[in-house]
Amino acid sequence: SQQGEEDPQALSIQEGENATMNCSYKTSINNLQWYRQNSGRGLVHLILIRSNEREKHSGRLRVTLDTSKKSSSLLITASRAADTASYFCATGYGQNFVFGPGTRLSVLP
Amino acid sequence: EAEVAQSPRYKITEKSQAVAFWCDPISGHATLYWYRQILGQGPELLVQFQDESVVDDSQLPKDRFSAERLKGVDSTLKIQPAELGDSAMYLCASSLYPTSANRGGELFFGEGSRLTVL
Repeated sequence: SQQGEEDPQALSIQEGENATMNCSYKTSINNLQWYRQNSGRGLVHLILIRSNEREKHSGRLRVTLDTSKKSSSLLITASRAADTASYFCATGYGQNFVFGPGTRLSVLP
Repeated sequence: EAEVAQSPRYKITEKSQAVAFWCDPISGHATLYWYRQILGQGPELLVQFQDESVVDDSQLPKDRFSAERLKGVDSTLKIQPAELGDSAMYLCASSLYPTSANRGGELFFGEGSRLTVL
């Protein structure tokens, strides 16, 4: 069974708007990471948040983690066309590290 | 900036043929991963190496897939014979620390090898 799952599966917004993606998971985690993947390319690490952290920022990215709800959110502020990509959350628990199915973000100019 | 190198970028083969993918991780990264990603899905771990040792190959279809990292540096993933269902992107990643370590384990990915089996 899948550990993490992103929501929504697809998101389409206008340039300049904020984009929010959510990730829910099932078991207690060590850390949660977000990755971006442009079409046909490899994944790029965006941000890591540990289980004892609640919020982290990196440039236009803001990640929150709510371990009581077993969920995380990724906020991209002031989106750009270049942000068009698939976004994956990955959860580390025990010896395992599992990716969700991803959210496909389209930012329209 | 150091990168994970993968080759080939694209491979088209007929079913029942043998296929091999190569990966050279970032220098100094002891942990190496091979993932398979079907179009529209997230990456799924096939095998994880720590130096030259296999840490996890529980999802590797061992009847047709093999992976090695003989000197603990670069790695090869082989499929023999290839089947239609093997069409996917094969991604290699490396990390300084295992993902299970308390220090984290940010993964650095190569550009992938896109396999099409006809």
